[in-house]
Amino acid sequence: GENVEQHPSTLSVQEGDSAVIKCTYSDSASNYFPWYKQELGKRPQLIIDIRSNVGEKKDQRIAVTLNKTAKHFSLHITETQPEDSAVYFCASLTPFTGNQFYFGTGTSLTVIP
Amino acid sequence: DADVTQTPRNRITKTGKRIMLECSQTKGHDRMYWYRQDPGLGLRLIYYSFDVKDINKGEISDGYSVSRQAQAKFSLSLESAIPNQTALYFCATSDSGRAAYEQYFGPGTRLTVT
Repeated sequence: GENVEQHPSTLSVQEGDSAVIKCTYSDSASNYFPWYKQELGKRPQLIIDIRSNVGEKKDQRIAVTLNKTAKHFSLHITETQPEDSAVYFCASLTPFTGNQFYFGTGTSLTVIP
Repeated sequence: DADVTQTPRNRITKTGKRIMLECSQTKGHDRMYWYRQDPGLGLRLIYYSFDVKDINKGEISDGYSVSRQAQAKFSLSLESAIPNQTALYFCATSDSGRAAYEQYFGPGTRLTVT
């Protein structure tokens, strides 16, 4: 089945700096790549996603890039703020195993004021 | 507001007991999922259902069963709970229509098996 690896597992940045989280996947048929943010004690919430026919997508301070050849995708957060502190999960959707989502192991981001 | 709800929110049970976790949604979505979350392991899919008559095993279905009683209800059962099933369990929904891929998560059920 699909294998999604996520790095780093923890990340600390100063407020205003950028943060980058990277994920790799193994199944070349995977075609959808969402990113979820989970604040402490809360449910995961979708913050941005990208489909396999697009190389980059941006939403204000958040962007996602996809390299299908290398099978990796990254989350970029610019001008980080303390409220960006949370655990971030990447995921991939694999159509040939019944449209299952496979999640990375998460990155705990701390933005230091 | 349309939402995804889970009951109970917290549960402590003993080894060998049968337990059911329930999920309800008012979003009108046809697809429902059960995940478990363990520290350092992310979210892993247990079972998913694309409609009332369609149930599929996920990555880690052993020791679990599910029931899709209606489009809005999806229950997860542990027939004989064991300590390594201690985890945070999330239900999620998605709509096969316009935004087919986005998943909406419930608030989670924290299960402890002693």
